Formats: sequence, C-alpha cells, structure tokens
Amino acid sequence: DQQVKQNSPSLSVQEGRISILNCDYTNSMFDYFLWYKKYPAEGPTFLISISSIKDKNEDGRFTVFLNKSAKHLSLHIVPSQPGDSAVYFCAASGGGTSYGKLTFGQGTILTVHP
Amino acid sequence: DSGVTQTPKHLITATGQRVTLRCSPRSGDLSVYWYQQSLDQGLQFLIQYYNGEERAKGNILERFSAQQFPDLHSELNLSSLELGDSALYFCASSPSWGSNEKLFFGSGTQLSVL
Repeated sequence: DQQVKQNSPSLSVQEGRISILNCDYTNSMFDYFLWYKKYPAEGPTFLISISSIKDKNEDGRFTVFLNKSAKHLSLHIVPSQPGDSAVYFCAASGGGTSYGKLTFGQGTILTVHP
Repeated sequence: DSGVTQTPKHLITATGQRVTLRCSPRSGDLSVYWYQQSLDQGLQFLIQYYNGEERAKGNILERFSAQQFPDLHSELNLSSLELGDSALYFCASSPSWGSNEKLFFGSGTQLSVL
C-alpha cells in the first residue's frame, strides 16, 4: 500500500531553469509534509516542509506547494543549479498513531545539466 | 553532518548469520527511528523508540529486533539473515515524537548478505 507516491523516477533540467518535482498521497490523515534530498553515500537531509494548514512555503530557491483537495504536493526549485542534482524524497506524517514517523515516496532523481 | 552517527558503514556477512547495527542520535534527541532502503525502493519504516520505549512499528520482520538504551543510543539486530535483507539501513532521530517532527538521518549502514 503505497501511501506516498512519486510517479516520476527521474527529471532532467537545464541549469537556471525551474525544476518541479511532484508527489501524491492517499492518506487523508497526513498533516505534515516534507522534502528530503539525498546524495550518494549520504543519508537524506531535510530540505523544506509544509503543514496542512498552509498551501505554500518558501525557503530561498525552494518552494513547496500543497493542494489538499487533490492530495498533491510539489517542490519547485528556481533557479536550478548543478549542485541540486540528487535524489529527492517526498515524505508525510500525521494521524494519531504516527508518533512522528515519516512515510516516504520512492524518490525522484534530479539531474541539473550545466 | 546531521549529528546522527551510525556504525559500521559497511557490513558483509553470510546467510544465516546475525548482525548488530548501532546508532547514536543527535544530542538531546529522544526519538530514534530505523528505516530500510532496498534496491529501487523508497525508505521503509521499521521501528521507532522514544526515550527507551517502543513507540511505533512498521513492517519489521520477526527476525529483526531493536532497542534503545538509557544513554539513548539504539541497536538494530538482524538475525537468520537472508539474501533479501541486503539493503541500506538508516537511523534517524528527532527531539520528540509528535507530528511536525523533522527527522535527522545518519549516513546509513550498507548491509550485504552473501
């Protein structure tokens, strides 16, 4: 039962352009959403998050959008840089028994070309 | 550096054997989470401890067990190992256990079962 889905395994973008990574979820109890970035041989690192009471959160070049009715969130990176090339994981938590644990999507490999 | 330390970084063992993975959380964090990442898979939640007590359990096999010690470090024990247990095992920590928790991940232990 894949409660968090990232349907695009990979994305290729030119440096300076916008990168848009998408994520869908099925569990309506989720109320907190996060994006993590992972480089090879490293653990995932926190990038940005959004609570379900908001529909947008911005941090520098990174913006996360949440559409609760569609159970969809997206991460926008503008402008994209070669150093952004990594695997991006969408994650969600919430509900009475979550205890803070995160449910992750499969990940999207982002490649930013110079 | 997330502040979460995992040892060893790599582990190679044979089927039927037992191994122990160790995790030291960030200073001050009371929750420890274990995740498994198999080839082409997202991060699958295994188990969570908070201040020494088990809080949440995911799809953890009966051959696997974990504990969190009074000094808050945690160990994940994997026994009767099978080829399919080969994976990257991540430990993460957070200050508490409620919703809106950001998890901080270690760099993982790569387990190879031959």
